[in-house]
Amino acid sequence: GAGVSQSPSNKVTEKGKDVELRCDPISGHTALYWYRQRLGQGLEFLIYFQGNSAPDKSGLPSDRFSAERTGESVSTLTIQRTQQEDSAVYLCASSSWVENTEAFFGQGTRLTVV
Amino acid sequence: GQQLNQSPQSMFIQEGEDVSMNCTSSSIFNTWLWYKQDPGEGPVLLIALYKAGELTSNGRLTAQFGITRKDSFLNISASIPSDVGIYFCAGQLRLFGNEKLTFGTGTRLTIIP
Repeated sequence: GAGVSQSPSNKVTEKGKDVELRCDPISGHTALYWYRQRLGQGLEFLIYFQGNSAPDKSGLPSDRFSAERTGESVSTLTIQRTQQEDSAVYLCASSSWVENTEAFFGQGTRLTVV
Repeated sequence: GQQLNQSPQSMFIQEGEDVSMNCTSSSIFNTWLWYKQDPGEGPVLLIALYKAGELTSNGRLTAQFGITRKDSFLNISASIPSDVGIYFCAGQLRLFGNEKLTFGTGTRLTIIP
């Protein structure tokens, strides 16, 4: 696609439910990043993929958070047993190692846990 | 997680004024990036810097990669209403590929009518 696409754009869920957030990177981009942005805050690193492997998952806040990437394309961020403190905008970005491009961001998924 | 120190946290200026903001890190990076974020949108890349001491311009924007590789500066000249938003610096240590970006805390720019 022309840009990074994230879905859903908004998600309201009840505390304790699981959610899946999807990221479609720019076609051909090998690197994919997930960040979390709480209201009025900066971007907090969660996990980074190179191809389908995650060399750095140091930012995942707890074992309730997991992510996978398949086909060196789509990535899914899963949050199990959501808590109210998980409410934030989850941003995905992609870049090309081969072309040495910078990271381009999607518009994010706004998650609200009620 | 780590966030870079970015200052000022917020700025209130009049249209036409120049703006300066900076970002410092306790560790070195070999790439510095500046992004702008509008409400409800993802960050958009403004300028990328790859070499210590490098000075790069993009229209009214000028950014510098600090010689120590631990800081960067962004200047906006003759501000206009569409400059309103939040500006983020980001450092990256590229070794084997496009490793993660570490972001600053952001500078919120407001233009007073």
